[in-house]
Amino acid sequence: TQLLEQSPQFLSIQEGENLTVYCNSSSVFSSLQWYRQEPGEGPVLLVTVVTGGEVKKLKRLTFQFGDARKDSSLHITAAQPGDTGLYLCAVAGDTGRRALTFGSGTRLQVQP
Amino acid sequence: DAGITQSPRHKVTETGTPVTLRCHQTENHRYMYWYRQDPGHGLRLIHYSYGVKDTDKGEVSDGYSVSRSKTEDFLLTLESATSSQTSVYFCAISGDRGRAEAFFGQGTRLTVV
Repeated sequence: TQLLEQSPQFLSIQEGENLTVYCNSSSVFSSLQWYRQEPGEGPVLLVTVVTGGEVKKLKRLTFQFGDARKDSSLHITAAQPGDTGLYLCAVAGDTGRRALTFGSGTRLQVQP
Repeated sequence: DAGITQSPRHKVTETGTPVTLRCHQTENHRYMYWYRQDPGHGLRLIHYSYGVKDTDKGEVSDGYSVSRSKTEDFLLTLESATSSQTSVYFCAISGDRGRAEAFFGQGTRLTVV
């Protein structure tokens, strides 16, 4: 069983549509990060959410941390082809080693 | 962009040969990590370092060793490469501040034939 379950695994939509992807766990976290990875590149940090219920916006991307700090969602408004990529959620270990554990990701394809 | 360089970017090697991948950073970050990425598994931690000569195992460390003799360099060695180690390998770094946000290199695609 993975620590972080992401859904859906794959999503193919048309330009202009809205979408939401999810990152769920049965564990409680002090913070959670979202990354985007484009083909042939390493993941790039989008946002860190810290407080239960917190909402952060990054242009057309809205990130929410669940009230109980066990889950998170990423909503994209009016998706564009440039949003295509693999979206990964990640949490840091609580032992102080700071290594991240990742979900398996949601692969998003936005068709023009 | 964080200064992280991985080398080589691509490598094909034969089963049973040793292979070393290099990660070089110019950010003076304390923490360095090696991950592998495979379809359906996301990124899995192989080894990490929390300082010069301080390293520890991750969840998929069997068949791998690491060394960190300088702050800026973190080497990953496949002692005797196997086909199951065909993967894309990513190096990452993070500092002491913040929430362990990581910066990644561009990856090394390794094929073991």
